[in-house]
Amino acid sequence: AQSVSQHNHHVILSEAASLELGCNYSYGGTVNLFWYVQYPGQHLQLLLKYFSGDPLVKGIKGFEAEFIKSKFSFNLRKPSVQWSDTAEYFCAVNAPLNGDYKLSFGAGTTVTVRA
Amino acid sequence: DVKVTQSSRYLVKRTGEKVFLECVQDMDHENMFWYRQDPGLGLRLIYFSYDVKMKEKGDIPEGYSVSREKKERFSLILESASTNQTSMYLCASNPTGGAYEQYFGPGTRLTVT
Repeated sequence: AQSVSQHNHHVILSEAASLELGCNYSYGGTVNLFWYVQYPGQHLQLLLKYFSGDPLVKGIKGFEAEFIKSKFSFNLRKPSVQWSDTAEYFCAVNAPLNGDYKLSFGAGTTVTVRA
Repeated sequence: DVKVTQSSRYLVKRTGEKVFLECVQDMDHENMFWYRQDPGLGLRLIYFSYDVKMKEKGDIPEGYSVSREKKERFSLILESASTNQTSMYLCASNPTGGAYEQYFGPGTRLTVT
């Protein structure tokens, strides 16, 4: 199974600051990559996903992520955060060509945006 | 809109009780999953199912079992609840194929006392 590492456990920043959350995975073959978000009291929902093509992926609410194959990374970014971006963020990966459709999740990063 | 519903948002059970967590999806998805979510550990896969009456163990199946008698319903069973099973339990579903996102239910916060 793949392992997924998220570098930051808790990030605190002010509104309008830029956000970057790191994600690295261990599998060397073809992967699908996902970022999920869980707002307080809400269910987990998809922010964005990468399957193939342009390594810069744009998602909902102004988020984007860049897949860098050589670094086994899929970092999430947002140029200017809002208070409503306070949430927990999870990176996930699967390896479909390996016949493995199960998602492996990182430990999550809690983001707190101060007004 | 895909909808994944779970039978309870909050549940309190005693040690040794048999616990059933129910999950229903309304999009005719083949795949269904049960995770537990714990602070600092992310989501860990307990069991999953690719078809009716089919199940496979995930990363942490010990102390759990599952049942999938109908395509839309996937049940997680704690045969004899223990305090270390206190957690948030999430159900998810998606169509067959690795390119599809998983759709999650709201979760059940289970407390075992």
